[in-house]
Amino acid sequence: ETGVTQTPRHLVMGMTNKKSLKCEQHLGHNAMYWYKQSAKKPLELMFVYNFKEQTENNSVPSRFSPECPNSSHLFLHLHTLQPEDSALYLCASSQDYGPQETQYFGPGTRLLVL
Amino acid sequence: AQKVTQAQTEISVVEKEDVTLDCVYETRDTTYYLFWYKQPPSGELVFLIRRNSFDEQNEISGRYSWNFQKSTSSFNFTITASQVVDSAVYFCALSDTGGFKTIFGAGTRLFVKA
Repeated sequence: ETGVTQTPRHLVMGMTNKKSLKCEQHLGHNAMYWYKQSAKKPLELMFVYNFKEQTENNSVPSRFSPECPNSSHLFLHLHTLQPEDSALYLCASSQDYGPQETQYFGPGTRLLVL
Repeated sequence: AQKVTQAQTEISVVEKEDVTLDCVYETRDTTYYLFWYKQPPSGELVFLIRRNSFDEQNEISGRYSWNFQKSTSSFNFTITASQVVDSAVYFCALSDTGGFKTIFGAGTRLFVKA
């Protein structure tokens, strides 16, 4: 595998379910990101991890819980979601954390909450 | 505050036509970085170019070219002799030393018809 991978690619869940999204980067990067992309809205940054430490939490509801066990893996744990949480969730990584860094994205997980 | 405006929501062209995607940005910083990404139907954002605020030299890469003008705060993207495979959503993005976060524009959906 190369680049940034995400699993699953598609997910349908009920509002009472608990699920997790997984992201893995094979680029040797130190920073990882979660973004939410909803229809007709710009990409919204959710969380940033740098060297496994969370550096940004963009006022995300607590029903989204990130986990970064090491610099290569990033998870997004989901519980009691709402239908408005349906979106494409994109993971990205960059060499380091800073404005000059280019982010490389995975293919995303398309989430539907019923 | 940072802001990226892509005023063109959708553009439709016929193959082999040239097309320019507009991007206007706002920032108070003198040091900042601009990016363009392509998002094909598969969902993954593909990095195209990064430009820093001190480098106003225009860039050409094959059929792609970028025009950076600080005087008008614009970073426009031109595709020459468009092809069907260019059909995608294109995002312009900005990051500066004030916030570190990358702010994305709303995107321009490009349709190239055969």
